[in-house]
Amino acid sequence: DIQMTQSPSSLSASVGDRVTITCRASQGISNSLAWYQQKPGKAPKLLLYAASRLESGVPSRFSGSGSGTDYTLTISSLQPEDFATYYCQQYYSTPPMYTFGQGTKLEIK
Amino acid sequence: QVQLVQSGAEVKKPGASVKVSCKASGYTFTSYGISWVRQAPGQGLEWMGWISAYNGNTNYAQKLQGRVTMTTDTSTSTAYMELRSLRSDDTAVYYCARGIPPFDYWGQGTLVTVSS
Repeated sequence: DIQMTQSPSSLSASVGDRVTITCRASQGISNSLAWYQQKPGKAPKLLLYAASRLESGVPSRFSGSGSGTDYTLTISSLQPEDFATYYCQQYYSTPPMYTFGQGTKLEIK
Repeated sequence: QVQLVQSGAEVKKPGASVKVSCKASGYTFTSYGISWVRQAPGQGLEWMGWISAYNGNTNYAQKLQGRVTMTTDTSTSTAYMELRSLRSDDTAVYYCARGIPPFDYWGQGTLVTVSS
């Protein structure tokens, strides 16, 4: 199985900060990576897919990059509504085993 | 608009089974599959498996093989996830999501509590 390791597991930041979350796969996943945002008591929300493609309706302050095994989610200028938990997910595996990272909790400093 | 509406919360005893439903609307049900994802309290997301709404083909996470069955009813555009031999560590919110990743639409979640 492909393992996904996110870092950091938690992060404190202020409104207006630029933050970066990383996700490392245990093997190359050819940009088959999605990022989700989850707020307490809610279902996850898709932010980006194919590593860098922004889902419709998602603000442009969210961006993704990476290749091979290493990927990043960047929020260019944190807004109050961005404080949440973020997950990466690979969808490269065959047969399917669409593993998530363990999550990064983004908290207000 | 696309909606996935799940059944209500369940409380089960260890060893019992639970069956969660996910009713889809707003799109052609057989054009996508349904995946299931669960989240234990305070924990991360775990992909459980996927079913094709077109032909019923399934893929299950290895750790759940033998205990989980996913089915669909195309006449009602509803997907079902049954989990058997429940244990306390199956206590979680269970989500359905449209298709295979990336998951653009999710159900609201169903809390399943396993407790004696």
